[in-house]
Amino acid sequence: AQSVTQLDSHVSVSEGTPVLLRCNYSSSYSPSLFWYVQHPNKGLQLLLKYTSAATLVKGINGFEAEFKKSETSFHLTKPSAHMSDAAEYFCVVSPAAGNKLTFGGGTRVLVKP
Amino acid sequence: DVKVTQSSRYLVKRTGEKVFLECVQDMDHENMFWYRQDPGLGLRLIYFSYDVKMKEKGDIPEGYSVSREKKERFSLILESASTNQTSMYLCASSFGDLYEQYFGPGTRLTVT
Repeated sequence: AQSVTQLDSHVSVSEGTPVLLRCNYSSSYSPSLFWYVQHPNKGLQLLLKYTSAATLVKGINGFEAEFKKSETSFHLTKPSAHMSDAAEYFCVVSPAAGNKLTFGGGTRVLVKP
Repeated sequence: DVKVTQSSRYLVKRTGEKVFLECVQDMDHENMFWYRQDPGLGLRLIYFSYDVKMKEKGDIPEGYSVSREKKERFSLILESASTNQTSMYLCASSFGDLYEQYFGPGTRLTVT
C-alpha cells in the first residue's frame, strides 16, 4: 500500500520569498513521485516528476524537488515566489510499475504582494 | 497539446437522478481515469480504463459505474445520485506505461 501526507494544508508567502511545500510518502516499492499544480478553475498540470534518476528534480516555472529516501520525503521548493504561483499543489506517488496514482490532500499557496 | 474535455463545468441534479459525466481526449491515449476531488482529501480514484471496453475499480467505486465504448471517450455514471456525491469530478488520460496524466478542467456536481 502507498500513501502521501502533505504536512501543510495552507502556506502563505510574500512575493519574492522562498516557497517550501512539504511531502512525506510511504510505499512498499521504489516509487515514482510527482508534484501537480492546480490553478483556480483549471485542470491539474504536472510540475515535475522523480522516476529513480537524479534525486534533485527540476520542474517548470522554477520549481524543484529533492527525493530523500532516508526521510521518505519529496519536498517542493522555489527560491522566489511569484503572484502567479498562487494555486493548490498536490504531491503524488505511484508504484514502481503501473499507472495508479495516490494523491496527497493538497497544499493551497497564497502569495502576498 | 493534449486536450482533455469534460462535457459540463457545472451540473445540478436531484437525489435519485441518473447522471452521466462525459470525458473526451484527443491524443489517442490508451488510459483514462475518473477522480473525485474533495477539500483536504486530494483526488481519489473512482475507476480507470486501460483499453476500450476495459475497466477497473479504483479506490472508491461504490455508487458509480463507467463506460468506454470508444478509445477517446470515457463516461462516468451515477446510477442514483445522492447528496454525498456532491463533488468536483476530474477526468484524466495517459499514454501507455507513462505516468504523466493529463487532466480535464473538472465538473462540479451538486446533488440536492
